[in-house]
Amino acid sequence: EAGVTQSPTHLIKTRGQQATLRCSPISGHTSVYWYQQALGLGLQFLLWYDEGEERNRGNFPPRFSGRQFPNYSSELNVNALELEDSALYLCASSFRTLLDTQYFGPGTRLTVL
Amino acid sequence: QKEVEQNSGPLSVPEGAIASLNCTYSDRGSQSFFWYRQYSGKSPELIMSIYSNGDKEDGRFTAQLNKASQYVSLLIRDSQPSDSATYLCAVGGGATNKLIFGTGTLLAVQP
Repeated sequence: EAGVTQSPTHLIKTRGQQATLRCSPISGHTSVYWYQQALGLGLQFLLWYDEGEERNRGNFPPRFSGRQFPNYSSELNVNALELEDSALYLCASSFRTLLDTQYFGPGTRLTVL
Repeated sequence: QKEVEQNSGPLSVPEGAIASLNCTYSDRGSQSFFWYRQYSGKSPELIMSIYSNGDKEDGRFTAQLNKASQYVSLLIRDSQPSDSATYLCAVGGGATNKLIFGTGTLLAVQP
């Protein structure tokens, strides 16, 4: 069974540009989560989508946004990129609730120059 | 007080020894507890989940949960150099409506 997939693997942007990151969950999972992991720091919760709805949002500015599509895949958009947005962006999926195990994709390494 | 606290380490143990990793959490309403392993530059991979007080064993790994003390631990028996990684404790199902990760403990197993 395929795991969580993310694309692209690496993304290089310049300050002020927009970045779009994509995630496909494990088949049967309806929830998708996005995390940011800056170098040397822990995982910071960004967003949680389930059944196409945003269920919760972390302490990030509105320029971080996303959506979930009918096939449960998800997209994270980061507008007006800043240097400090450089990080590993991880997507995870689970069955619906927060009690269920989250399985992570390989991540997208975003570098902002 | 941090929501999920772990000693950052590094925790250094000799090969074949038992490694003990600890985690405390602040939300008494938390219901789900996870240990993940993360190698440098890679994504976290699940080691174990635990939901009830007591011990849960899976191979060389044992998770222990004490909700009264708000404490979760992970024991790794017969530690191997390949176990060298950062171990992340994650706690969910509480009032914050999200899974909260600790900053991780770096484990170094010396051959």
